[in-house]
Amino acid sequence: RKEVEQDPGPFNVPEGATVAFNCTYSNSASQSFFWYRQDCRKEPKLLMSVYSSGNEDGRFTAQLNRASQYISLLIRDSKLSDSATYLCVVNGGRGSTLGRLYFGRGTQLTVWP
Amino acid sequence: GAVVSQHPSWVICKSGTSVKIECRSLDFQATTMFWYRQFPKQSLMLMATSNEGSKATYEQGVEKDKFLINHASLTLSTLTVTSAHPEDSSFYICSAQTPGQGWDEQYFGPGTRLTVT
Repeated sequence: RKEVEQDPGPFNVPEGATVAFNCTYSNSASQSFFWYRQDCRKEPKLLMSVYSSGNEDGRFTAQLNRASQYISLLIRDSKLSDSATYLCVVNGGRGSTLGRLYFGRGTQLTVWP
Repeated sequence: GAVVSQHPSWVICKSGTSVKIECRSLDFQATTMFWYRQFPKQSLMLMATSNEGSKATYEQGVEKDKFLINHASLTLSTLTVTSAHPEDSSFYICSAQTPGQGWDEQYFGPGTRLTVT
């Protein structure tokens, strides 16, 4: 079983739409959770960390459910510039190499005008 | 802040040759750097964890004699792909952690696209 699994996508939505991505992780010891964004042929860039209480940054809202080992990302009022691949990332938790991160395969989003 | 650079950004080499990729943290000191590989439409796969002044820790299935990692200073780690073959063609990305920014937030270099002919 993979450490991190994501919706396969791709998601194709019009500008202004709301889109949600889901992710599950297998290691219950994981302590830190992130969403990264990766543009085509570029490196991943940190979009936001995900906190237990859920957190919001402008149009982006992240939720964490530790009991279900489930993470989500909601994007409201989609912009053309949101088109990218979104990576769900979790750390290895206690006992693993410090800083070890596990990446999901990514969900591709295309926002069309 | 938290800028990581990589050099070269792309390289084409012949089968059997070796290629060195540099990863630098430009505005902070990175005690730990990570090397990843990403094939098309695949996720990033961690190859090794590099700690300054000590031997790298390789992930299972990654040949340490083929992928030589040196982390000689707090701002520089290098990955050398020895005797490269076409199947080594991939996107190689390094990352570094910034102390005090959350212990496992990582900042990535722009990546090096390697093509072995």
